[in-house]
Parts: sequence; structure tokens; C-alpha cells
Amino acid sequence: GDSVTQMEGPVTLSEEAFLTINCTYTATGYPSLFWYVQYPGEGLQLLLKATKADDKGSNKGFEATYRKETTSFHLEKGSVQVSDSAVYFCALTSDQGAQKLVFGQGTRLTINP
Amino acid sequence: SQTIHQWPATLVQPVGSPLSLECTVEGTSNPNLYWYRQAAGRGLQLLFYSVGIGQISSEVPQNLSASRPQDRQFILSSKKLLLSDSGFYLCAQTSGTGAGATNEKLFFGSGTQLSVL
Repeated sequence: GDSVTQMEGPVTLSEEAFLTINCTYTATGYPSLFWYVQYPGEGLQLLLKATKADDKGSNKGFEATYRKETTSFHLEKGSVQVSDSAVYFCALTSDQGAQKLVFGQGTRLTINP
Repeated sequence: SQTIHQWPATLVQPVGSPLSLECTVEGTSNPNLYWYRQAAGRGLQLLFYSVGIGQISSEVPQNLSASRPQDRQFILSSKKLLLSDSGFYLCAQTSGTGAGATNEKLFFGSGTQLSVL
């Protein structure tokens, strides 16, 4: 079945450091790929998405590129801020719609000033 | 805007006891509603989804059940909890209606951390 694997956390960085959170997937067909973020005390919210190979999703300085050849969707940001501290989830959905979202285990990110 | 109320935030229950987690949503009529669970070290797993009152689809066989007695109310239940039911439970909704909802508009509640001892 479909699955998503994220890099193990927690990840701790200093402010203005470069961030990469790795995500690889296994899926049949052509899934859409997502990054969700959960800030402390809040629910999950969509951060960015890509729906086909070579698409780049971006939002709030974060980027991720849909790489079909390596089945990856790594999350990157050039200069992180303390306010980026949160748990990040990589996810995919098959062609069958929203109810088939499959999530990775989440990566906790802490940014120190 | 969509608002999801989920309670309680944390819950500790003994094995064999019943469970009832409630989720209510605001902002959209006839939303698609979902229950997800995250077990320790694992990704979020879809448990149930509902496209309307009284309509429940189960994704995995388990010790839990779900009901939707009202358009904006989704309840997760168990008659007898197992240790393996421990986890973080999230209620979610889509902003679209019915089968046309798109997954990028999925909104999540703040979750319930359930510990079964």
C-alpha cells in the first residue's frame, strides 16, 4: 500500500540556519504530495503541495519539489525563524481523493534564537 | 471560516472502559468529516470518514466505531478500550461539500491524546 517516510526527529537548529526535512514515498499511480504543519497548541494546516512530477510547492519561505525519479518531496527553507518551530508532516493522496491521505510520522522542529 | 472543536484534549482511560470522543465543526454545511489516529512513531492513519448524516465509512478493521448524528457532529466511540487504542486522535473536515471536496482544504482539530492503561 501507499506509505510515506520522513526523517527522524527531533531536529534542532539555530535561527537563520538552512533547513531540510527529508520525505520519501511509495505509491501506485501518480499521487499528489503535501506538507502539513502543526504549530504548538493548534491543529494541522496545509503548508504546501505539488500535484505532478517536477512541480515545486512553496509557501512562507518553504519549498518542496516533487521528484518522481527519487520518489521524494523534501522540505527546505533557506533561513529558519523561531516561529517555524512546529511539527511537520509529509503526506500523499492517491487518485481516490481526500479520504485517502497517507501521512508520515511527523518531524518536530525546534529553532533556537 | 472553518472551526473544529474537539474534546477532551487529553484522556486517560483503563483497559476495558468505554470511549466517546466528540468533534463538532462550524462554518460549512454538509462537510466531509474524518477521524485520524497517530500511534507513537507512526504516521496518521485514517480511521473513518463521513460524507453525510448517518453515513460512515471505515478504513481499517478495529475496536472503534464512529457515528454522525448531526450534520456537524462526528463521534468516535468504543465499548471496551484496548491498550493498542492509545494514540493521538484528530478530527478533520473538508471545506468543500460532498464528493467534490478537494484534499487541499482539509482542516484539522487540535486533537485528543488518549492513553489506555
